[in-house]
Amino acid sequence: QSVLTQPPSVSAAPGQKVSISCSGSSSNIGRNSASWYQQVPGTAPKLLIDERYNRPSGIPDRFSGSKSGTSVTLVITGLQTGDEADYYCGTWDDSLSIYVFGSGTKVAVL
Amino acid sequence: EVRLVESGGGLVQPGGSLRLSCATSGFDFGQSEMSWVRQAPGEGLEWVSVSSGRNAGRTHYIDSAKGRFTISRDNSKKTLYLQMNSLRDEDTAVYYCARVPDHWGQGILVTVAS
Repeated sequence: QSVLTQPPSVSAAPGQKVSISCSGSSSNIGRNSASWYQQVPGTAPKLLIDERYNRPSGIPDRFSGSKSGTSVTLVITGLQTGDEADYYCGTWDDSLSIYVFGSGTKVAVL
Repeated sequence: EVRLVESGGGLVQPGGSLRLSCATSGFDFGQSEMSWVRQAPGEGLEWVSVSSGRNAGRTHYIDSAKGRFTISRDNSKKTLYLQMNSLRDEDTAVYYCARVPDHWGQGILVTVAS
């Protein structure tokens, strides 16, 4: 069971918006926020948004992140078929002294 | 250009050992915290271990790796290692070398089976 909780899947039509939540605790997201990763099956994870809410070069502004308390949310606007992938949140847990990932959310474009 | 290239994976019997290597270039390896992350077939991401750049003596492991896996690094070669001993079926996974969160290798498959 993951320390960070994500919904298993979300879906929407092309052009629409999806939100993916990631719920943690005071020892991880509460202290450190979280990064978001995109992983197309068979490929390595790719950073979408870091813990300071910055997007690496090449990541479109359709991807945005926010934090509230011990949860973070990834929002994808203008959904495209190329956005179909698994999305993970991740952050350091100060109590466990390990980096923890969410269980992952599969995004489907209808 | 940032590059992380893993090697050393393969098929090993339960109880056996493997040493993974990760050759890097394009960023300041010596100052970077470097991690190993794995992904079992059909499963999510699982962080395994980290080695600090500034204080290479600082390492952390997930519980299942403690006492069996050892992370190390050669800053002069810009290379990260993971020595894996007493391997178990459940260690079967693609292992990624990463400077979490921004730089990731392509991954290397480790299969533990008889």
